[in-house]
Amino acid sequence: EAGVAQSPRYKIIEKRQSVAFWCNPISGHATLYWYQQILGQGPKLLIQFQNNGVVDDSQLPKDRFSAERLKGVDSTLKIQPAKLEDSAVYLCASSPPGGGFGYTFGSGTRLTVV
Amino acid sequence: GENVEQHPSTLSVQEGDSAVIKCTYSDSASNYFPWYKQELGKGPQLIIDIRSNVGEKKDQRIAVTLNKTAKHFSLHITETQPEDSAVYFCAAPGEGAQKLVFGQGTRLTINP
Repeated sequence: EAGVAQSPRYKIIEKRQSVAFWCNPISGHATLYWYQQILGQGPKLLIQFQNNGVVDDSQLPKDRFSAERLKGVDSTLKIQPAKLEDSAVYLCASSPPGGGFGYTFGSGTRLTVV
Repeated sequence: GENVEQHPSTLSVQEGDSAVIKCTYSDSASNYFPWYKQELGKGPQLIIDIRSNVGEKKDQRIAVTLNKTAKHFSLHITETQPEDSAVYFCAAPGEGAQKLVFGQGTRLTINP
């Protein structure tokens, strides 16, 4: 089975610019997550979707971050405007329907804000 | 909410020796404890998990033990090999459905 696809792999932007990340989950996986992983730390959940609805976005800095999952498949995460502290790896993960924690992570997008 | 603490942050062992990484959690209601391995440039990959109805689970050279009373769980890797070098993360369920809270990670280095 194909894994979770993410693009781009790397992105360098200047502070105050905008950036978008794309994720294509495993086919049939109803739940999609975006995690932020700052260097040297564990992943931190930003937002969780169930199909195309938001389940949890309590840790998403909504003044600058937004995410959508139209049609319940692909998802995009956007940052506008970016800050230096947004430099991190942004990981997308998906899990199958029916509950449980069978996460599969993508390889992530490494964002550097300069 | 759930808080997961992981120790040590770095661990260096000789090839062939054993490695142990420990995590503590705060929510006594937590019932699922996975371990992930993250290699350079890749996303975390699930390597083993345990549910709260068992105290130990093994998969070849990898084992996880759980002490619910003390609220801690550990990853044990025996007969370590160079390819075991990676960052390892523990996790526990957070508030809400299917949400995981991760530890800070342990960088494991296997010395030949």
